[in-house]
This record gives sequence, structure tokens and C-alpha cells, in this order.
Amino acid sequence: GENVEQHPSTLSVQEGDSAVIKCTYSDSASNYFPWYKQELGKRPQLIIDIRSNVGEKKDQRIAVTLNKTAKHFSLHITETQPEDSAVYFCAASIRTGAGSYQLTFGKGTKLSVIP
Amino acid sequence: GAGVSQTPSNKVTEKGKYVELRCDPISGHTALYWYRQSLGQGPEFLIYFQGTGAADDSGLPNDRFFAVRPEGSVSTLKIQRTERGDSAVYLCASSFAGANSPLHFGNGTRLTVT
Repeated sequence: GENVEQHPSTLSVQEGDSAVIKCTYSDSASNYFPWYKQELGKRPQLIIDIRSNVGEKKDQRIAVTLNKTAKHFSLHITETQPEDSAVYFCAASIRTGAGSYQLTFGKGTKLSVIP
Repeated sequence: GAGVSQTPSNKVTEKGKYVELRCDPISGHTALYWYRQSLGQGPEFLIYFQGTGAADDSGLPNDRFFAVRPEGSVSTLKIQRTERGDSAVYLCASSFAGANSPLHFGNGTRLTVT
């Protein structure tokens, strides 16, 4: 199966509501989990990250939770605003065939915030 | 300071031709990465440099793809005998301390093979 699975692929919410995006990963040795936001035609930009020694991290309206036992992590955006509309990617450090750990990305979630 | 710079921003080439894509990382970042992003997909790892050496090239799809970083700063991704399936956005990223630290992406080069 996929090294990193991300759900849902699309998400529409009303402005002011919360949005939750979930990811699972396969490598129990993974220890770094960033989230990127990518607006149309632009570069992916880091919005928050978490390491395996922490269960939760918050930065204003954005929070990430990590469950290492279940191998899943989630992004939570509260009080959504139209400018939050973008594609969000989760990533996990996964061991490659050459033995180093590199970020493997999910397929993305297209978030639409409806004014 | 300046972010990761990639040139050209767009490249259109004919099937079978050779192309070079350039990346100028953030000053002081020793780690450099190339990723490929197809439409509607997440970035896919290609190759990782630590300094001048390719520490992990396991993501390169075949031997038509090659990358160099001769002085430990600027990197060039080279694609020989391009195929239509090579069409994608090629993203370069750099980081201060390797894969378990934040990756800073450039704007990418959109490659179209006709």
C-alpha cells in the first residue's frame, strides 16, 4: 500500500467552521511529520510540523496531533477563512531503498472555504 | 534572505531532447533535494544531496535522470532523451540539517515534453 495515505481528497467547509485532514503512514521508525499548504501555481509552504516525541502542537488556528501507536496524524484548522482555501499535503519521513529517511507526501486535500 | 531559486520557471521541449533544470538553494543550507510533482499529486522524492555528494538517488526513475552539485551549492537536474511522461513540475528544496528538518521549496520548473 501507499507509504502515506491522506483523507479526504477534497473538503468543503463554511467560513468559521473547523477542518480536519487525516494521514496514516507505514514506517514505525518515522519521526518527522510536516504539513504543507500549496496555493494554485505556487510552491508548497510549511505551515506546521511535529516530531515523534510530541503528541500535539498548536500554532494559532492550526494544530497537529500525532498517534505513534496507530501511525496516524491529523491537521486541524479552526475558524476557517477564505484564504485557507488551498491544497494541503501531509508528509512523513520514510526510509528509502537506499537507507536514508526522506519525506514522502500524501496525495493532498483540496480545501475550499465557502464565504 | 532569498529563498530557493529555480530556473527556468517553464521549459517546453520536444520528445527526445536533453534538458537541464537549475536550483540555487538558500545560502548555508547543506542539504538539497529534488522532487517531482505531477498534476493532482504530492511531491515525489527523486534525489538528496548532502554537500557535493548525492547521498540518496533512489528516487530517480531511470538512468535518463542525473543530478549534480559540484560545489555544494547550485544543483542541476539533467534529463536525457526526454519522454512525454517526464512532463511535470520539478521542485527543488533545501534544508539546514537534513530530512528531519523543514524543507524550503522553490517555485519549481514546469517541464512540458511535446
